[in-house]
Amino acid sequence: DAGVTQSPTHLIKTRGQQVTLRCSPKSGHDTVSWYQQALGQGPQFIFQYYEEEERQRGNFPDRFSGHQFPNYSSELNVNALLLGDSALYLCASSLAGELTLGYTFGSGTRLTVV
Amino acid sequence: LAKTTQPISMDSYEGQEVNITCSHNNIATNDYITWYQQFPSQGPRFIIQGYKTKVTNEVASLFIPADRKSSTLSLPRVSLSDTAVYYCLVGDGDSNYQLIWGAGTKLIIKP
Repeated sequence: DAGVTQSPTHLIKTRGQQVTLRCSPKSGHDTVSWYQQALGQGPQFIFQYYEEEERQRGNFPDRFSGHQFPNYSSELNVNALLLGDSALYLCASSLAGELTLGYTFGSGTRLTVV
Repeated sequence: LAKTTQPISMDSYEGQEVNITCSHNNIATNDYITWYQQFPSQGPRFIIQGYKTKVTNEVASLFIPADRKSSTLSLPRVSLSDTAVYYCLVGDGDSNYQLIWGAGTKLIIKP
């Protein structure tokens, strides 16, 4: 039973560029949440997708957008990258309505903006 | 929104029992309290989850009082490899979807 898979594991981008990160949820899960974690900080909630729609959103600018596909996988897009966007981006999957029950994380994508 | 409070850091020694407490108010009445372990540059790893009273698995125990306003993660006989950041995660009592993270407790185990 595959857990949450994220790709790529690492990438380096230049300021002003755009990036797309990908997440495949754990088998049986239908909800995907994205987090940004700066070095030495706790995870900060970006948004959550369910039924291919953004269900809730944290305090992040519109440069951060996402998408969920019919197979429940998800993408996180960040436009006009800033140096401050350098962080570990985490994807978590769950089953709708279960809140923390079974909430499972991927290993993350380390984004470095130079 | 619910709010959680954890100690910022803790030190202990190999072989000791470590207890980390998270205080949380206004949490979802129908949701579990979950604890995660995180090593640098890795995703949080599930440790244990409970609704009330006591839960035990092969790596930890979780104690939750009847009022569910706090939870205590207990790690028996810690080793150097338990050095990590530990987070509690709860559902918010005012939202169907919002999850509230603790700030994390950096646990350092010394030989």
